[in-house]
Amino acid sequence: DTGVSQNPRHKITKRGQNVTFRCDPISEHNRLYWYRQTLGQGPEFLTYFQNEAQLEKSRLLSDRFSAERPKGSFSTLEIQRTEQGDSAMYLCASSLYRGDEQFFGPGTRLTVL
Amino acid sequence: SQELEQSPQSLIVQEGKNLTINCTSSKTLYGLYWYKQKYGEGLIFLMMLQKGGEEKSHEKITAKLDEKKQQSSLHITASQPSHAGIYLCGADINNFNKFYFGSGTKLNVKP
Repeated sequence: DTGVSQNPRHKITKRGQNVTFRCDPISEHNRLYWYRQTLGQGPEFLTYFQNEAQLEKSRLLSDRFSAERPKGSFSTLEIQRTEQGDSAMYLCASSLYRGDEQFFGPGTRLTVL
Repeated sequence: SQELEQSPQSLIVQEGKNLTINCTSSKTLYGLYWYKQKYGEGLIFLMMLQKGGEEKSHEKITAKLDEKKQQSSLHITASQPSHAGIYLCGADINNFNKFYFGSGTKLNVKP
């Protein structure tokens, strides 16, 4: 297993467009997390899944954001009607159990023009 | 995040010097994790502390969690240029399902 992968690595889009990111966790990891990180800040929690169930969502996750994890494997994060304030690095992480260390992917850098 | 305060925000040290980074919470920590991040990349796990008073070491990096489980420190001995990067503390606070990170400490090590 090569770790957590994220695609695309970079995305440039125009304001108002929809974007979708994909995260492939380490196989057999039950928990999957999404974070957003802006320059000079630590990652901010967005949401997490236990298998296919989305168990927690941050208030940062407005109704323009939606995340899915069908079949408890890969996950997608969609942002509708992007705004310039959405420009950030979007990080995905997975862990086997609660309390275990989270393994992070390389991130998807989003730029909204 | 406001839940975790990291200090200092940045640090420049001469190679070979020791340094300490602190992470403080006003609430009980149910697990404290230290990560390292290089600019524009994902996070690399360093250490995890769960018990009050716990101390772990890996190579020249030592992390401690105080007895009350509200503060942790990361100590690097005889720093090297390879230690440069952003150090982040993360925690499960209040035993909820959310996970919080500090704002990070940017470390530069001058050769």
